Amino acid sequence: AAGVIQSPRHLIKEKRETATLKCYPIPRHDTVYWYQQGPGQDPQFLISFYEKMQSDKGSIPDRFSAQQFSDYHSELNMSSLELGDSALYFCASSSGDPGTNTGELFFGEGSRLTVL
Amino acid sequence: AQSVTQLGSHVSVSEGALVLLRCNYSSSVPPYLFWYVQYPNQGLQLLLKYTTGATLVKGINGFEAEFKKSETSFHLTKPSAHMSDAAEYFCAVSGASGGSYIPTFGRGTSLIVHP
Repeated sequence: AAGVIQSPRHLIKEKRETATLKCYPIPRHDTVYWYQQGPGQDPQFLISFYEKMQSDKGSIPDRFSAQQFSDYHSELNMSSLELGDSALYFCASSSGDPGTNTGELFFGEGSRLTVL
Repeated sequence: AQSVTQLGSHVSVSEGALVLLRCNYSSSVPPYLFWYVQYPNQGLQLLLKYTTGATLVKGINGFEAEFKKSETSFHLTKPSAHMSDAAEYFCAVSGASGGSYIPTFGRGTSLIVHP
């Protein structure tokens, strides 16, 4: 079965540079979530989208932005990168309105960002 | 608001021994509870979930967990550990807080299995 696809899997950037991560949800899933997992940390919720509209916002820095496109894929844009942004970024998808979904998410394998 | 506490960042067991990973939650609304497993360099995979109904839930790979409302716990168990069970395990809680079900994760417990 098709899973959540994230690209790139690995990314190395310098401080103050910009990075873009992409996420392709499971077919027919209309909700996308972004999580950040620092070294040895639990995944922290950043932002989610349902039907191309932002549905929830977590601890996403102002330097970051995201959107969901008409084909339901999502992109996370990170600017003015800092050393502390080095982390594993997970995308997850689910089907249906987040207000009724039980919270079961299907995760991609993550994009590892290293900021030097 | 909701939160999850996983007791023990590392749990070490021998192959064939009982696995017990502890999870306590805090939620102002009836919770939905999840256990996810993360193998090295991979995404999180759902092991099992509790939404409503039977409080003892069975998941993949022989794992099960019991929802105990009075103890606000959702501990994960497996009767006999296999080497392949070595991974990071995350407990998560979600609930209708503010109209959404965004899961909140615990800090994770690393399961180490010795031969």
